[in-house]
Amino acid sequence: GNSVTQMEGPVTLSEEAFLTINCTYTATGYPSLFWYVQYPGEGLQLLLKATKADDKGSNKGFEATYRKETTSFHLEKGSVQVSDSAVYFCALSPSGSGSARQLTFGSGTQLTVLP
Amino acid sequence: DTGVSQDPRHKITKRGQNVTFRCDPISEHNRLYWYRQTLGQGPEFLTYFQNEAQLEKSRLLSDRFSAERPKGSFSTLEIQRTEQGDSAMYLCASSLSTGGLMNTEAFFGQGTRLTVV
Repeated sequence: GNSVTQMEGPVTLSEEAFLTINCTYTATGYPSLFWYVQYPGEGLQLLLKATKADDKGSNKGFEATYRKETTSFHLEKGSVQVSDSAVYFCALSPSGSGSARQLTFGSGTQLTVLP
Repeated sequence: DTGVSQDPRHKITKRGQNVTFRCDPISEHNRLYWYRQTLGQGPEFLTYFQNEAQLEKSRLLSDRFSAERPKGSFSTLEIQRTEQGDSAMYLCASSLSTGGLMNTEAFFGQGTRLTVV
């Protein structure tokens, strides 16, 4: 079956540091890949997505590139802010259409950014 | 705010009782999803509806769980004879599917946190 593995957390960084959160996946066919973010007390929000190999998703300074050869979708940001403190989830959807049907999530990575 | 809303936000119940949660999706969205999230884990898919039709159910959805979306708008998730293992956050999400490749992202509600004592 499908699965998503995220780097273990929590991650603590100083403001303006570089962020990488690793994500690898196992799936058949050509899944769509997502990063969701969950701020304290709020629901999950889509941060970025990619629907085919070599696509780069980007939003709010975050980027992730769909690497089929390494089955990875690592999240990066060049300079984190205190307001980026949240839990980040990598996820996949089994179809290539970007549909939310049957999302499979990783276990989440807690990010804390210190001023 | 016209996002996905869930009610109640918190529910504490005794083991063996029945509970029902409600989800109101974004009004124009035709798909509605239920997920369960336990502490320290990512959400796990339970079931989804396209309009009023329940199209898929996870094996996680035991026969004590039932979900409905009677008019293709709001949905309810009922858990009968609750067990301590049912304690979790229950998340609802909605999206718009127009067929083919035109699908929106899933918008999630804030969830209902269930504690079974």
